Amino acid sequence: DAGVTQSPTHLIKTRGQQVTLRCSPKSGHDTVSWYQQALGQGPQFIFQYYEEEERQRGNFPDRFSGHQFPNYSSELNVNALLLGDSALYLCASSLGVGAYNEQFFGPGTRLTVL
Amino acid sequence: AQSVTQLDSQVPVFEEAPVELRCNYSSSVSVYLFWYVQYPNQGLQLLLKYLSGSTLVKGINGFEAEFNKSQTSFHLRKPSVHISDTAEYFCAVSEDRGSTLGRLYFGRGTQLTVWP
Repeated sequence: DAGVTQSPTHLIKTRGQQVTLRCSPKSGHDTVSWYQQALGQGPQFIFQYYEEEERQRGNFPDRFSGHQFPNYSSELNVNALLLGDSALYLCASSLGVGAYNEQFFGPGTRLTVL
Repeated sequence: AQSVTQLDSQVPVFEEAPVELRCNYSSSVSVYLFWYVQYPNQGLQLLLKYLSGSTLVKGINGFEAEFNKSQTSFHLRKPSVHISDTAEYFCAVSEDRGSTLGRLYFGRGTQLTVWP
């Protein structure tokens, strides 16, 4: 049973560029959440997708956007990259959106903005 | 606003010694509590969770945690640590606001280093 997978593993971009990160949820899961983990910090919630809609959003600017596909996979897009966007981006999947549902995390995508 | 405080950023211990990693939270509603572990260059793995019922919960790798509602704490403990327990540990909380929307609020993490 495959767990949560993310691609790419690492990514280097320059300021002002745009980036797309991808996530495939654990088999049977229908909800995907994205988190940003800056160096030395805990993960910060970006947004959550369920039934192909953004259900809730953390305190991130509109430069951060996402999408969920009919097969439940998801993309995170970041426009106009800033140096401060350098971080580990984690995708988590769950079955349903309930606050009590266990979220399973992928290995992350390490984004470096130069 | 929801917040999670991990009181120790680093905890060094010797192998086979007991350890406690502290976590306090603040919330105006009922919460669900989680501890995750992160090994270098990896994602997060769930150690244990408290949803309801007994306040003492047991997880993987010999870890346990106790939910104390009056002190709003959820400290993680292990009676005897191994070298392989060296990792970053995160306490996380989700709020039960009656809706079905769950998101996790994380602490800043505690680096546990086990020395031989």
